[in-house]
Amino acid sequence: GAVVSQHPSRVICKSGTSVKIECRSLDFQATTMFWYRQFPKQSLMLMATSNEGSKATYEQGVEKDKFLINHASLTLSTLTVTSAHPEDSSFYICSAREAKSSTDTQYFGPGTRLTVL
Amino acid sequence: AQTVTQSQPEMSVQEAETVTLSCTYDTSENNYYLFWYKQPPSRQMILVIRQEAYKQQNATENRFSVNFQKAAKSFSLKISDSQLGDTAMYFCAFFRSNDYKLSFGAGTTVTVRA
Repeated sequence: GAVVSQHPSRVICKSGTSVKIECRSLDFQATTMFWYRQFPKQSLMLMATSNEGSKATYEQGVEKDKFLINHASLTLSTLTVTSAHPEDSSFYICSAREAKSSTDTQYFGPGTRLTVL
Repeated sequence: AQTVTQSQPEMSVQEAETVTLSCTYDTSENNYYLFWYKQPPSRQMILVIRQEAYKQQNATENRFSVNFQKAAKSFSLKISDSQLGDTAMYFCAFFRSNDYKLSFGAGTTVTVRA
């Protein structure tokens, strides 16, 4: 149980285009999902918290107009990188917190490697 | 704000031996959770072990165990009988109960040598 998927696993796009990354909880409902960014050999940096049915909350320094987050259902959150530039190239990871969990454990997706040319 | 410190960037261990990873944290909360996650070369984050702060007993999961010292705000991970598949980056994480966010340490890269 507690499986989180991400799609696509890797994407290459041209500078100026937008890219959408999906995060799904496959066998549980997640009222809260989180989006992280990770550079090679570094820790995870929280970008935003996605709550089902409400606006996402962004961490300081993260541009909300650049990284659009939608959490339309209890099993799906999407991150759209708008007008992507080479500096947006990174590894993006989502996690989901099970709605009825008493353990407060976050389960992570396998990540998406974004390369912007 | 909670800070999580992992002071060992890299560690190497011989197969079948034991390695201990250190983690300290800073918080004013009394009830919280602590986690160790493993990130192998595939980059999939895998939950290794979880500790509730209100529990005095140290958590154990097979070959993985923790030494939780609440007063010292220390949460070390011991990997016993190390296996080649344990090679990964290990992250200590503090769970913030007020907003459900995880604060991660910088990570420790563990290499198990054959």
